[in-house]
Amino acid sequence: QQQVKQSPQSLIVQKGGISIINCAYENTAFDYFPWYQQFPGKGPALLIAIRPDVSEKKEGRFTISFNKSAKQFSLHIMDSQPGDSATYFCAARDNYGQNFVFGPGTRLSVLP
Amino acid sequence: EPEVTQTPSHQVTQMGQEVILRCVPISNHLYFYWYRQILGQKVEFLVSFYNNEISEKSEIFDDQFSVERPDGSNFTLKIRSTKLEDSAMYFCASSTANYEQYFGPGTRLTVT
Repeated sequence: QQQVKQSPQSLIVQKGGISIINCAYENTAFDYFPWYQQFPGKGPALLIAIRPDVSEKKEGRFTISFNKSAKQFSLHIMDSQPGDSATYFCAARDNYGQNFVFGPGTRLSVLP
Repeated sequence: EPEVTQTPSHQVTQMGQEVILRCVPISNHLYFYWYRQILGQKVEFLVSFYNNEISEKSEIFDDQFSVERPDGSNFTLKIRSTKLEDSAMYFCASSTANYEQYFGPGTRLTVT
């Protein structure tokens, strides 16, 4: 129940295209859902996050869509750029503690 | 912009030796975390720390691990007797009460 599932494992998108990464969870106690971007050899960097009281949050080219009933959330990267090529992790926080659970990651490659 | 710093960037140690990984969280943050990431795998939660005590720990965080905030700025992770399988990137993170975590650049631990 503490798992966060993430798909696809890898994604190749043309420059200017839309990248979509999906995550799903079972634990209804999760109350905060961040996305992290990680470049090789670096730590994860917080990209955007959402709480379950909203269905969508947009920051620049990055949008999170959240479906509470389906227990799913997704990251959309509009106008994808080669500089977006990185590994993306979704995560969830359990509101009973300080435990953050990460998805397995999606390796995004944006072709020039 | 304030950032989480970690030292050393790379630590090589022999099996059975003790290692201490050091972190300086962002100064006004209240929550502190350690994560590990085995090469190519997902980020795994180890422990969270708040108000000078552990608030939550994972199954990975067994008796070989300990954390300490020895002064007002440093946050350390100690592994008492390292095993080969402890080889990984170790990330420190800190957050304010709104859960927005900021990760450090990591320490690569190699146990030989």
